[in-house]
Order: sequence, then structure tokens, then C-alpha cells
Amino acid sequence: AQRVTQPEKLLSVFKGAPVELKCNYSYSGSPELFWYVQYSRQRLQLLLRHISRESIKGFTADLNKGETSFHLKKPFAQEEDSAMYYCALSGLHGGKSTFGDGTTLTVKP
Amino acid sequence: DVKVTQSSRYLVKRTGEKVFLECVQDMDHENMFWYRQDPGLGLRLIYFSYDVKMKEKGDIPEGYSVSREKKERFSLILESASTNQTSMYLCASSSNPNIQYFGAGTRLSVL
Repeated sequence: AQRVTQPEKLLSVFKGAPVELKCNYSYSGSPELFWYVQYSRQRLQLLLRHISRESIKGFTADLNKGETSFHLKKPFAQEEDSAMYYCALSGLHGGKSTFGDGTTLTVKP
Repeated sequence: DVKVTQSSRYLVKRTGEKVFLECVQDMDHENMFWYRQDPGLGLRLIYFSYDVKMKEKGDIPEGYSVSREKKERFSLILESASTNQTSMYLCASSSNPNIQYFGAGTRLSVL
């Protein structure tokens, strides 16, 4: 069975501080990992996926297969980063995705 | 730009009513999904479909059914709505790679 765990439901940091949103997963095959973001009054949208190895809006995430983690990081948080973040997993060959419970990030001025 | 359109943003229904939630995507995606989003519970998959007339149960299918008669349209049906089905419902579609594109959501209240 595939499972995604986001241990923090709420995370609050000050503007300019580093931020890390944790994600751990369990999956028996080769996973594909994603981070999705939902800003206030907007639809849920893809932020980044591990295969593309991009930095989006200053965020990065590295897949650590040894620790089965895919933590989302940003060195200097901005107020506009305040949102709900979901970590998600699917098999490399497609199929359904499993989402974590989400972390609400608040960046205080 | 991929567009996933859910027919209603808000719905209010009474207990026992049959409820239809409609979702249409315009990118010829094979896969379509229905989730419910509840505070503290994240996104939970209700049903998904890999192709026309094909459907698979997700994690919480009880009390729901789906229909996919055309590739672009995926309907979620609540046969007899109950108060515990009050929630935000999200539709999504995807192709390969498995990036999901979401609709704006339908907030359903069952009274």
C-alpha cells in the first residue's frame, strides 16, 4: 500500500526565515513524488515534481530514497508563500496518486 | 492551459436527495479523479477512471458512484445524500506524466 505522511498540520515562520515542510512516504515500487499548493481562494495546482529537479518560486525538494522522504524547502520564506501544501505520490507508470493530509504554512510579516 | 471545469461552485441539498456533480476537462486526458477535501483529512480519493466506461474505487467509495460516458466528462453521483457527505469535492484529470490538474471545487452542503 502507498502512504504519504505530512507530520505537521500547521507551520508558522517569519518572513525571511528558512522553511521546511516534511513529507515521508511508503511505497513498494519506484515512486514519483509531487508537491501541490493551494493558495487562498485558488485551485490546487502542481508546485514541483521530483523528476524535473526544478526550483519553483524558490522551493526545492529532493527525493531521499534511503529515508523515504521528500521534504520541501525554501531558504527565505515570503508572505505570499502562505498556503496549504500537499505532498503526493504515484507510481512511475501512472495510476492513482496518494496525497498527504496537508500542511498549512503561514508566513508572518 | 489545461482546464478542468466543475459545474457548480456551491450546492445545497437535502438528506436523501440524489446529487450529481459534473466535471469536464478539455485536454483529452485519459485519467480522471474525484476527491473530497476535509480539514485535517487532506485529499481522499473517492473514484477514478482510466478510460471511458472504466472506473476504479478509491479509498472512500461508499455512498458514491461515478459515470464516464465520454472521455472529457466524469460525473460523481451521491445516490442518497447524507449529512456526512457535506464536503468540498475536487475533480482532477491527468495524462502521462501523472501530473494532476484540478478543478475549482464544489462545496456541497447536505442539510
